[in-house]
Amino acid sequence: DVQMTQSPSTLSASIGDRVTITCRASQAIATWLAWYQQTPGTVPKLLIYKASNLEVGVSSRFSGSGSGTEFTLTISSLQPDDFATYYCQQLHSYPWTFGRGTRVEIK
Amino acid sequence: QVELHQSGLGLLKPSETLSLTCTVSDGSIAIGGWYWNWIRQRPGKGLEWIGNIYNNGSTNYNPSLQSRISISVDTSKDQFSLELTSVTPADTGVYYCARVPLVPKVPGWYYYGLDVWGQGTTVTVSS
Repeated sequence: DVQMTQSPSTLSASIGDRVTITCRASQAIATWLAWYQQTPGTVPKLLIYKASNLEVGVSSRFSGSGSGTEFTLTISSLQPDDFATYYCQQLHSYPWTFGRGTRVEIK
Repeated sequence: QVELHQSGLGLLKPSETLSLTCTVSDGSIAIGGWYWNWIRQRPGKGLEWIGNIYNNGSTNYNPSLQSRISISVDTSKDQFSLELTSVTPADTGVYYCARVPLVPKVPGWYYYGLDVWGQGTTVTVSS
């Protein structure tokens, strides 16, 4: 299985901060990576597909980059709705696997 | 906008079989172009992909669960289903259905991402 390692596991930030979350794959996955946002009690929401493509309806303050084994999700200016947990997922090979999540909390 | 609606019992005793169904609102299972997935989220364990199915019945399963799971599709009812046998308390969590579009590329196609999710079903396994 491809192991997905996210860092940090928790991130404290303030409104307006630029935030970067890293996801590393245990083997090369090209750009077959997605990012999700989940707030407590809600269903995960797709933010980014194919590493850098913004899902329809998602704010442009979210961006993704990377290929191979290292990927980043960046929030350009943190807003109140962005305090959530973020997950990466590889769709390169079965079984599809997720990172353990990065919780973005209010500083 | 397509909706996925989950149904099934969420309270089980150890050794019982979990059965969940996901109904797709727009009839798109029969059309093709999507893989239909089950994912679970156990307390403190993050998200875990369980398996998926295409409308022709072709399946992919997580090897960690393969001996206990079965995913089926009924295109006439716009539904796909999950069965997980011999449940234990370790299977407690929230179970989701979700779809993944197949996007054409040259050559072949790629998996888009889990773009539409069901509402989730809380499953509790307890004696």
